[in-house]
Amino acid sequence: SQQGEEDPQALSIQEGENATMNCSYKTSINNLQWYRQNSGRGLVHLILIRSNEREKHSGRLRVTLDTSKKSSSLLITASRAADTASYFCATDSTHNNNDMRFGAGTRLTVKP
Amino acid sequence: DSGVTQTPKHLITATGQRVTLRCSPRSGDLSVYWYQQSLDQGLQFLIQYYNGEERAKGNILERFSAQQFPDLHSELNLSSLELGDSALYFCASSAGGWTDTQYFGPGTRLTVL
Repeated sequence: SQQGEEDPQALSIQEGENATMNCSYKTSINNLQWYRQNSGRGLVHLILIRSNEREKHSGRLRVTLDTSKKSSSLLITASRAADTASYFCATDSTHNNNDMRFGAGTRLTVKP
Repeated sequence: DSGVTQTPKHLITATGQRVTLRCSPRSGDLSVYWYQQSLDQGLQFLIQYYNGEERAKGNILERFSAQQFPDLHSELNLSSLELGDSALYFCASSAGGWTDTQYFGPGTRLTVL
């Protein structure tokens, strides 16, 4: 079963625009991670945010975490066509024997 | 290139059969994780091994089993295969546990006919 739910399911924007994807989860977590997947390929780790952190930056990526709302957001600024991919959030819960649960993902398309 | 290798890339087999998927982690990584990705179930964590021992278990069916060998490579065994087992199976490795970055392999695409 999945823990996280991303929205929107799909997002289409123009190059240069910002893209915001959201993730909600159900149980208390230790960490939340964001991954990117190009079609049919392995996942690439983007960023990890711990439950006691509220915001993290990495290059054009900005992740926020609101544990009171059990939600996180991933912002990609100044998007590029190469950012076209699926983005997943993953949580490792304090209640689930430390296994990792992935959301269904957001399919981002950046048009040149 | 993540440094994680998986073989084979593609596997086509029939229902009821048994297959073995292989994964070699990045040099120095002690943890290996197995994931299944299918259209209807999404991406699911199956199992984690750390330095040869099972560390965490996810949605792994009883028909599936895994092990990590002394050289740290890992194998995922899938038996009594069903049509619904058709999926991409990914292996990932990390230095230690969940807070370490996981590096994913290219995956094995399993088709059960």
